[in-house]
This record gives sequence, structure tokens and C-alpha cells, in this order.
Amino acid sequence: TQLLEQSPQFLSIQEGENLTVYCNSSSVFSSLQWYRQEPGEGPVLLVTVVTGGEVKKLKRLTFQFGDARKDSSLHITAAQPGDTGLYLCRGGSGGSNYKLTFGKGTLLTVNP
Amino acid sequence: GAGVSQSPSNKVTEKGKDVELRCDPISGHTALYWYRQSLGQGLEFLIYFQGNSAPDKSGLPSDRFSAERTGGSVSTLTIQRTQQEDSAVYLCASSSAGGLVEAFFGQGTRLTVV
Repeated sequence: TQLLEQSPQFLSIQEGENLTVYCNSSSVFSSLQWYRQEPGEGPVLLVTVVTGGEVKKLKRLTFQFGDARKDSSLHITAAQPGDTGLYLCRGGSGGSNYKLTFGKGTLLTVNP
Repeated sequence: GAGVSQSPSNKVTEKGKDVELRCDPISGHTALYWYRQSLGQGLEFLIYFQGNSAPDKSGLPSDRFSAERTGGSVSTLTIQRTQQEDSAVYLCASSSAGGLVEAFFGQGTRLTVV
């Protein structure tokens, strides 16, 4: 089973600060997704990255897929309290693609 | 329906009792997943259904856990002889196909075993 390591596990920052969270694996993924989960809700897809070196922007969120497709990062600029939540990465490749391994997530708290 | 629906939203049960959790996926979605999430933790894969293929049950933690999907639509996750360590949020997701397409999640069933 491919493992996705997310770091940091917990992050608490003040409104307006920038932050980066990471998703790393020793295995190559054909593609990777980022989800955000708010308390009491199921995860919601933010983005899918499929090409090594790809960068995608979603308003204040910037997602990057590593050149070797083993790692990804999510950078948030000028964080807001509404960004609070659990950020999860999910990857898949080859024959076990359907299991779509999730990382344990980064729990982000943005304080006003 | 418009989204994935799970019921009940909350369930409190006594240790040793059986429970059934229901998931109504988005109409037409062929793939259905069950995950378990402990407090503040990530998602633990339990079982995957895809079309008429045999389900992947490799994530079920013990033989007390079972799941079925009737008519390629509604799914039920059954936990027999519940234990306190079964307490968690059980999330169901569906997607239009297998593989890394968008998974749509329900709000989950919070199970508490007392």
C-alpha cells in the first residue's frame, strides 16, 4: 500500500499569514488530489494535479505537484478564518489506483 | 438526490449490539467507498465497490464488519457486536468511475459505542 505523509500534522496561525503544507510519498503517483474537510462535513475536492511540475492556483491557494510526482504542496496566501479545516491529499497509481490512499491530513486553524 | 446521503447522522449504541449504516450515493455513480475517521484523524479505507465487480474488502478491520451494495446503488455497512474502539465517523463517498476522479462525500455517520 502506498503511503502519503502529510506535514505538519497541526498548524495554528493568525489571519493574514502565509502557510505551506506538504504531502510526500516514496512512491510515484499518476495523479493527486487535495481535499478540505470542515468540521461535521465530508471532504470536498479542491484540485487534482496530474503532471509532474504542475502548478494550479485557486484564488489564494497554490498547489504544486513535484517533478517526480512523489510530492505535492499547498500554499495559502493571506490565510483567513474560513480556511480553517483538515487538508487531505489523496493519490493513486497503477493497479491499486482505486484505493486512492489518503494522507492523515493537516489540521489548520486560522485565528482571527 | 443532489448529493451523497448517509443515515443516521448520529448513532449511539451499546457495546455488543449490531448497527447498520446506510449510504445513498449520487445517482449513476458506479464507484462507492466507505471510510472510517477517528477524531481529528485522516480517512481509513474500509471497502470499495465498483460496478458489478467483486468489492475490495481489504480495509475492513475485522470480520465483525461487512458491507453490501444492492442494485448498484444503496450501500449498507454493518458492524456486529460493536466495541468501543469502533466509535468513529463513518464516511461514504461515490464517484462517477473508479480511479482518481472526484469523490463526493456524505456528511458521515457519527457512531458512539458506550
